[in-house]
Amino acid sequence: GENVEQHPSTLSVQEGDSAVIKCTYSDSASNYFPWYKQELGKRPQLIIDIRSNVGEKKDQRIAVTLNKTAKHFSLHITETQPEDSAVYFCAATPFTGTASKLTFGTGTRLQVTL
Amino acid sequence: DSGVTQTPKHLITATGQRVTLRCSPRSGDLSVYWYQQSLDQGLQFLIQYYNGEERAKGNILERFSAQQFPDLHSELNLSSLELGDSALYFCASSVGPDANYEQYFGPGTRLTVT
Repeated sequence: GENVEQHPSTLSVQEGDSAVIKCTYSDSASNYFPWYKQELGKRPQLIIDIRSNVGEKKDQRIAVTLNKTAKHFSLHITETQPEDSAVYFCAATPFTGTASKLTFGTGTRLQVTL
Repeated sequence: DSGVTQTPKHLITATGQRVTLRCSPRSGDLSVYWYQQSLDQGLQFLIQYYNGEERAKGNILERFSAQQFPDLHSELNLSSLELGDSALYFCASSVGPDANYEQYFGPGTRLTVT
């Protein structure tokens, strides 16, 4: 099955700096890669996703890049703000019909300091 | 607010007991996914239902079962509870049958087994 590794486990940046979180996946058939943000005690919220037919996707201060050859994808947050502080999870899934499921990384705790 | 609702918000029960968690998907969504989140395990996929039928199975224990009803709400039943079952249980919903459709999470049920 799919295995997703996520790094770093914790990340501290100053307000205004950029943050990068990286994930690698094992199943070359994976074709959908969402990112979720989870604030303390809250639900995971989908913030951006990318599919395997695209190399990069951007939404305001957030971007995701995908390298299918190397089987890794990254989340980039620019001009970080205190409200970006949360745990971020990457996930991957292959399109295998009835057996498809999201496999999550172990999470990155991002702390944006003033 | 994702439009996915879960009840109850908190549940405290004793070892050996049985509990039922309830989830109502977003309007129009046919899939319901159940996840377990514990401190040391991250987000673990348990089971998925699509339009009333079991669609995919993850790391769900035999003591756990689920179903989706004709009105598309879903229930997760946990029996013979153990201390290690203490966790946050999330459901998520999506419009399509496979995990490469966007999933929207409910607020979760925090289960404490004493």
